[in-house]
Amino acid sequence: GAGVSQSPSNKVTEKGKDVELRCDPISGHTALYWYRQSLGQGLEFLIYFQGNSAPDKSGLPSDRFSAERTGGSVSTLTIQRTQQEDSAVYLCASSLLGHTGELFFGEGSRLTVL
Amino acid sequence: GDSVTQMEGPVTLSEEAFLTINCTYTATGYPSLFWYVQYPGEGLQLLLKATKADDKGSNKGFEATYRKETTSFHLEKGSVQVSDSAVYFCALSSGGNTPLVFGKGTRLSVIA
Repeated sequence: GAGVSQSPSNKVTEKGKDVELRCDPISGHTALYWYRQSLGQGLEFLIYFQGNSAPDKSGLPSDRFSAERTGGSVSTLTIQRTQQEDSAVYLCASSLLGHTGELFFGEGSRLTVL
Repeated sequence: GDSVTQMEGPVTLSEEAFLTINCTYTATGYPSLFWYVQYPGEGLQLLLKATKADDKGSNKGFEATYRKETTSFHLEKGSVQVSDSAVYFCALSSGGNTPLVFGKGTRLSVIA
């Protein structure tokens, strides 16, 4: 497709389980971002990938969160030992160049931790 | 660090009313400023942008002017439609090695 694709769109899990969220960016976009959207909290930056450079992980809230980007394309965000406060919508975005501000967002993955 | 503050919602307006959503920012240097919109069931999409002081961004009848003296980037539309119902996010980019910083969003509901 032409846009950013995220899966699953909805995920319900039990506290303590691990989850993986996937993002397929727009073809040719070198920059990829993960944000978290919590109720009343706006968008919280998590991690940023640019080409083959080391990712900017400065926004990851704890060491339970990790992400990788294989082959400069698909990215996976992994949350280990999920907690109820991890419940949020996780948004992926890509852009042709990094940090220009013109991001293309996916529809998000809604995570609910029971 | 950089931050964006926008008016809290929700905002409810009648069709054809005038809209203002306030946004102010704190940043070092000269950031670029953006408004993103999230329609129900869709991903965020760029609505308009301005890259330097006194620039006016516009799209779909919406406008916002980059005011350096008041560090503001208020979103306006002269006559809203039901289809404008969405969540609006103000954001800034300082470039360099810093990611886009978003405000908390303002939900707009337009009733017929």
